[in-house]
Amino acid sequence: DIQMTQSPSSLSASVGDTVTITCRASQTISSYLNWYQQKPRKAPKLLIYAASSLQSGVPSRFSGGGSGTDFTLTISSLQPEDFATYYCQQTYSSPRTFGQGTKVEIK
Amino acid sequence: QVQLQQWGAGLLKPSETLSLTCAVYGGSFSDYYWSWIRQPPGKGLEWIGEINHSGRTNYNPSLKSRVTISIDTSKKQFSLKLSSVTAADTAVYYCASTSTEHGSTWSDYWGQGTLVTVSS
Repeated sequence: DIQMTQSPSSLSASVGDTVTITCRASQTISSYLNWYQQKPRKAPKLLIYAASSLQSGVPSRFSGGGSGTDFTLTISSLQPEDFATYYCQQTYSSPRTFGQGTKVEIK
Repeated sequence: QVQLQQWGAGLLKPSETLSLTCAVYGGSFSDYYWSWIRQPPGKGLEWIGEINHSGRTNYNPSLKSRVTISIDTSKKQFSLKLSSVTAADTAVYYCASTSTEHGSTWSDYWGQGTLVTVSS
């Protein structure tokens, strides 16, 4: 199985900050990388697919980058509704594994 | 726009079989793979498996011996069965639609989730 490691596991930030979350794959996965946002007691929501494509309806302050083994999710000008847990997922091979999550908290 | 509505038993005893169904509303049923993902309380996401409209399945090897995902195209529904459950299978189970393009796949619409608790 491909292992996905996110860093940091949690972070504190203020409204208006720019935050970057990193996801590293244990082997190359080309650009087969998705990002999801999850709020408590809610289903995950797709933000970014294929490493850098913004899902329809997702604000443009969310952006994704990277290829191969190293990927980033950047949230520019953090908004109150962005405080949540973020997961990366590789779909290069089966099983389609997720990172352990990064919790973004209010400072 | 696809909407998913899922249901199934929420409390099971060890060794019983988990059974969940997900109904699809909107969208073209044949355009997607249909997936199941679970999340133990307070933990991360685990991909269980997927099926396409033709019935082709792909399972997580860690669960493969106990998992069956099936599809009913006439009803636009797909189902998950997980046999011989233990407390380790306690989780919120989600159904999801999975899109594909140029080899990439992503789960764009999700069901509301069903908490399944395994306890004697």
